[in-house]
Amino acid sequence: KAGVTQTPRYLIKTRGQQVTLSCSPISGHRSVSWYQQTPGQGLQFLFEYFSETQRNKGNFPGRFSGRQFSNSRSEMNVSTLELGDSALYLCASSFGRGSTDTQYFGPGTRLTVL
Amino acid sequence: AQKVTQAQTEISVVEKEDVTLDCVYETRDTTYYLFWYKQPPSGELVFLIRRNSFDEQNEISGRYSWNFQKSTSSFNFTITASQVVDSAVYFCALSEAGGYQKVTFGTGTKLQVIP
Repeated sequence: KAGVTQTPRYLIKTRGQQVTLSCSPISGHRSVSWYQQTPGQGLQFLFEYFSETQRNKGNFPGRFSGRQFSNSRSEMNVSTLELGDSALYLCASSFGRGSTDTQYFGPGTRLTVL
Repeated sequence: AQKVTQAQTEISVVEKEDVTLDCVYETRDTTYYLFWYKQPPSGELVFLIRRNSFDEQNEISGRYSWNFQKSTSSFNFTITASQVVDSAVYFCALSEAGGYQKVTFGTGTKLQVIP
């Protein structure tokens, strides 16, 4: 089975721009969760989508949003980028809810905001 | 609130030594899950183990073993006869079946195995 894929792998943007990241889960998995990883804050939960519905959200501003499509693929959008948004964004998929099932992670998208 | 503490920020060992990574958690839920993930320099988190709160049996997988003790709220990870390929950041994580229904990660322990 193919693993979780994320595109693009690297991204450079400037402040004020917006960005869309994509995640394709493992085939058959219905849940996709997004995490932000920075040296200062560690791994922080952004949100989880299950069956096209956002089931949970972390403590991030409304500039961070996402969606999930009927094929379980998910996109994450960050608008009005700030320097502090520079991070590794990790996507994880699981068959059941991410809070109770094992999550499998993708390689991440490294976003640099200049 | 749920919390995971990995007090060891960095550990260095010489190859073939045994090493234990500590994980202490806090939760009010009676049903919860504990995980360990490995993050090599490439960045991708690799799943190692999942344990539910009702299963306190220790587990061994090759050179890896896990010691789950509810009495001390700990879920420690031991690597026996460490190898250079074990060099990575290791994360312990907790999720609650009820409550927040989110996965909370510890801050990670960076393990360096010196040849």
